[in-house]
Order: sequence, then structure tokens, then C-alpha cells
Amino acid sequence: GDSVTQMEGPVTLSEEAFLTINCTYTATGYPSLFWYVQYPGEGLQLLLKATKADDKGSNKGFEATYRKETTSFHLEKGSVQVSDSAVYFCASSGNTGGFKTIFGAGTRLFVKA
Amino acid sequence: DSGVTQTPKHLITATGQRVTLRCSPRSGDLSVYWYQQSLDQGLQFLIQYYNGEERAKGNILERFSAQQFPDLHSELNLSSLELGDSALYFCASSVAVGGAISEQYFGPGTRLTVT
Repeated sequence: GDSVTQMEGPVTLSEEAFLTINCTYTATGYPSLFWYVQYPGEGLQLLLKATKADDKGSNKGFEATYRKETTSFHLEKGSVQVSDSAVYFCASSGNTGGFKTIFGAGTRLFVKA
Repeated sequence: DSGVTQTPKHLITATGQRVTLRCSPRSGDLSVYWYQQSLDQGLQFLIQYYNGEERAKGNILERFSAQQFPDLHSELNLSSLELGDSALYFCASSVAVGGAISEQYFGPGTRLTVT
């Protein structure tokens, strides 16, 4: 079945460091891919999305590119801030079959000043 | 503000009791999802409705049930509550059930504490 695998956390970085959170997926067909972020005490919010191969989603300095050949959608940011401390969830949403959205387990990011 | 509302915000109840959580989706969204989030289990998908009909089931216990009403609001019923049911329960909504316009908008959650 469809699945999403994220790197395990927590990830701890110093302010202004480069961030990569790995995400790979298995799916039937060509799903849309999403990154969601959950700040402490809040619900999840959509951070960015990509709907087809080679699409790049970007928002708030974060980027992720839909790589069909490696079935990956890694999240990157060039310079993290303390305010980026949160849990990040990768998700895929198929447009065939069961039309399900599958979430990864989440990766907690701590950014130190 | 995502446009998704959930009530109540907090709920404290005793083991063996029954509670109902309520969710109103964003205007125009036909699909509603329920999730359970606990510290040790992460985000667990429970159930999904689309325009009043059940579309997908996840790890939902038999003690739990849900429905989506004609006005598209949804309720999650939890019965015979156990200590392990203490968690954050999120509702989310989306326009479509899959594909490019299926991004979900999450409510603020209901924190359930079973004592």
C-alpha cells in the first residue's frame, strides 16, 4: 500500500544552519505531495505542496522538489531560525484508487539560538 | 485561522464515559477527516467523510464512531473511554479527497483527558 517515510527526529540545529528533512513515498500513480508544519500547541498547517514531477513547492524560505525518479520530497531551508522549531510532516495524496492522504510520522526540529 | 472550528477545546472526563467532539469544516470543503495525536503514537488517521459518506477508515477503535451531517459538520463519538484515549483529537477538512487540491486544513484540536 501507499506509505510515507520521514527521517526520525529530533533534529537539533543552531540558528542559520542548513536544514534537510528527508521524505520518501511509495504510491500508485502520481500523487500530490505536501509538507505540513505543527507549531507547539497548534494544529497542522500546510507549508508547501507539489502536484507533479519536478515541481518545486516553496514557502517561508522552505523548499521541496518532487523527484519521481527517487520517489522523494525532501524539505530544505537555507538558514533556519528559532521560530522554525516545530514538527514537520510529509504527506502524499493519491488521485487514483482510494484517494487517500498518507502522513509520515513527523520530524521534530529544535533550533538553538 | 484555518477556518475549521472544533468544540470543545478541552474535555476532562472519567473512564467509562462517552463524549462527543464536534467539527465544522471550512466553507466549501466537502471532506472531513479525524485524527488522534498522542505523545507516543504520533498522528493517527481515524476516519474520513466526503459529503456525508464514509470514504476511508484508519486505526479507529470500535468504541469510536463518527458521522457527517447534511450541513457538513461532523461529530466524533468516543465511548467506554479508557485512560489511553487521552490525546489531542484534530479535525481537518479539504475540498477534494485526493490529488492536487486535497490539502487539508486543520482545526485547533480538542484535548481530551480521561481520568
